[in-house]
Amino acid sequence: IVLTQSPGTLSLSPGERATLSCRASQSVYTSHFAWYQQKPGQAPRLLIYGSSSRATGIPDRFSGSGSGTDFTLTISRLEPEDFAVYFCQQYLGSPYTFGQGTKLEIK
Amino acid sequence: QVQLQESGPGLVKPSETLSLTCTVSAYSISSGYLWGWIRQPPGKGLEWIGNIHHTGTVYYNPSLESRVTISVDTSKNQFSLRLSSVTAADTAVYFCARDSGSGSCYSYWGQGALVTVSS
Repeated sequence: IVLTQSPGTLSLSPGERATLSCRASQSVYTSHFAWYQQKPGQAPRLLIYGSSSRATGIPDRFSGSGSGTDFTLTISRLEPEDFAVYFCQQYLGSPYTFGQGTKLEIK
Repeated sequence: QVQLQESGPGLVKPSETLSLTCTVSAYSISSGYLWGWIRQPPGKGLEWIGNIHHTGTVYYNPSLESRVTISVDTSKNQFSLRLSSVTAADTAVYFCARDSGSGSCYSYWGQGALVTVSS
């Protein structure tokens, strides 16, 4: 299953709302979809699993939605620490695959 | 807090075998979950390599299956990756990770180990 993220780069200011998209080449339903945040030199950090469930310790400004082939990660009000690269992942079937990433940069 | 730490050579010659070990602390591998390897070429995206259950059951990415072996040593609370016949395309940061318990998305990650394939 190929995951295509858009946009490739998103330039926003702190306090703004961010909407990141991920489209799958075939349906992954809702229960097997995740979002990660990665900062330079660090491992990815799980944000969202099961399409919309926040992982432990993740602030409620992060939310996930979607089903089938179209999924969205929304950051309601950007904080300075949110500027990073975001990856989507499907884990419905092997091979588990990741999107190519969306870079969220400060405008 | 579960912690994972990768270890192994940072430089491997072409055609040789890459070997990495992940040491887990603050959690016993024998207690469950899937334990995985994921890699990331410099400046690129993430690629799932495979998972292993504490029982030894393994799941591999079909694109790498012919060259990959993942094993577990519960007595040392470690699991390992071997990737044979490496080429420059295998140069990447290799992460070990533990799944979330809600499928193969990963809640806990090692810091990553850069492995360069070069003569």
